[in-house]
Amino acid sequence: GESVGLHLPTLSVQEGDNSIINCAYSNSASDYFIWYKQESGKGPQFIIDIRSNMDKRQGQRVTVLLNKTVKHLSLQIAATQPGDSAVYFCAENPGGYNKLIFGAGTRLAVHP
Amino acid sequence: GAVVSQHPSRVICKSGTSVKIECRSLDFQATTMFWYRQFPKQSLMLMATSNEGSKATYEQGVEKDKFLINHASLTLSTLTVTSAHPEDSSFYICSARNGKGHEQYFGPGTRLTVT
Repeated sequence: GESVGLHLPTLSVQEGDNSIINCAYSNSASDYFIWYKQESGKGPQFIIDIRSNMDKRQGQRVTVLLNKTVKHLSLQIAATQPGDSAVYFCAENPGGYNKLIFGAGTRLAVHP
Repeated sequence: GAVVSQHPSRVICKSGTSVKIECRSLDFQATTMFWYRQFPKQSLMLMATSNEGSKATYEQGVEKDKFLINHASLTLSTLTVTSAHPEDSSFYICSARNGKGHEQYFGPGTRLTVT
């Protein structure tokens, strides 16, 4: 079946650096995408979302970029902090079904 | 706002018994609730979608008679794992939508261990 996948299973960065987490999706009908952060033993926490009619959306220290041509999604975290250490998931809504399909996840490790 | 709770947070049960997990939307009415399962170091896998007052829609490969879902009100959905076995041990997470958009609000999860 169609799925959302990630290029990097783990990402290690130095505190203060910028982080980029990537995600590839395969369903061209997907019209809504979300990034979630999940800390150990907790439920996913919403970070930022983007609709398919946008290329970029910015939040506080985070930016999501959507490239529909190559079906690629990325999450950029500016000035990464130790508190950003977690697993990050992208998720897509496959067009009108009101459900989310989650990618495999990327673990972000921030080193002081 | 948009807080979702789960109870219990952790549960240990013996093989062959049943266990019920509750999911509540605390400050909004959830027209739709979702149940996910997450094994260690893996992603969230959608098990079923439940709409208030109607039968749940299960994802392919999920046994509806084993994972009973009841969405009796706009603020409560329950998942009952029947005749649990050790392979059912997992992290069960619910989420809820308020009907106004795609965003889902997630609960904190329930760690189920079947011995």
